[in-house]
Amino acid sequence: DTEVTQTPKHLVMGMTNKKSLKCEQHMGHRAMYWYKQKAKKPPELMFVYSYEKLSINESVPSRFSPECPNSSLLNLHLHALQPEDSALYLCASSQDGGAGDTQYFGPGTRLTVL
Amino acid sequence: AQSVTQLGSHVSVSEGALVLLRCNYSSSVPPYLFWYVQYPNQGLQLLLKYTSAATLVKGINGFEAEFKKSETSFHLTKPSAHMSDAAEYFCAVSPGGYQKVTFGTGTKLQVIP
Repeated sequence: DTEVTQTPKHLVMGMTNKKSLKCEQHMGHRAMYWYKQKAKKPPELMFVYSYEKLSINESVPSRFSPECPNSSLLNLHLHALQPEDSALYLCASSQDGGAGDTQYFGPGTRLTVL
Repeated sequence: AQSVTQLGSHVSVSEGALVLLRCNYSSSVPPYLFWYVQYPNQGLQLLLKYTSAATLVKGINGFEAEFKKSETSFHLTKPSAHMSDAAEYFCAVSPGGYQKVTFGTGTKLQVIP
C-alpha cells in the first residue's frame, strides 16, 4: 500500500470555526509533512514530524496546530483562519526524513475560508 | 542553501513531439534531485529521483532525466508526448539529511493534439 489518504477532500469554513484536516498512511513511514499550496505555486512546507515528534515548524501562525497521535496519523487543527489561508493542503510521508527520502503525497484537502 | 530554477512556467508541445522541461539546481553539497508531476486538484506524484547511483535516471510514464554536474542541471525529457502528460511538473532538490525539500516554481506542460 503506497497510498496517503486525506480527509476531507473539500472544506469550507468561516473565520470563527474550528476544524481539522486528517492524513493517514500505512506504509510504515516515520516522517510526515504538511504543505500549503496556493494556486499556480509550488508546495510550501509547514510542518515536519519525525518519529511522532515535531522536528520542523516553518514559522507557521498559531492558528494552525499540528498533531501526530501515532506513526500512521497526522492532523492539522484549524482555528480562526483568515481568507488568505484558503489553499490546497497536502500531506506527505517518507521513510524517516533522512537523506534522499522520497516523499509520497496525498491528494490534498481544498480549503476555503469565508 | 539550496534552490532550483525551472526555466519556462509554460511549455507547449504537439502530441508525439519531444518533451523537454528544464531544471537547474544550486546546492552546497551533492544533492538529491526529484521530479514530481501534479494533475489538476491532485497531490504530487514522484516521476523520478536522482541519488548519484547513475546520471541518467529513468522514471515512470516514459520520462527520464539526466544529471549534469558541470551544468548543474537535471532536465526532464520524454521522447513522445501524450495528451495525458498535460500537467504541472515540479523539480525539487534536497541536500540530504534532515533538511527540507525545496521545490521549483513549476512548469505547466500543455500537449496540443
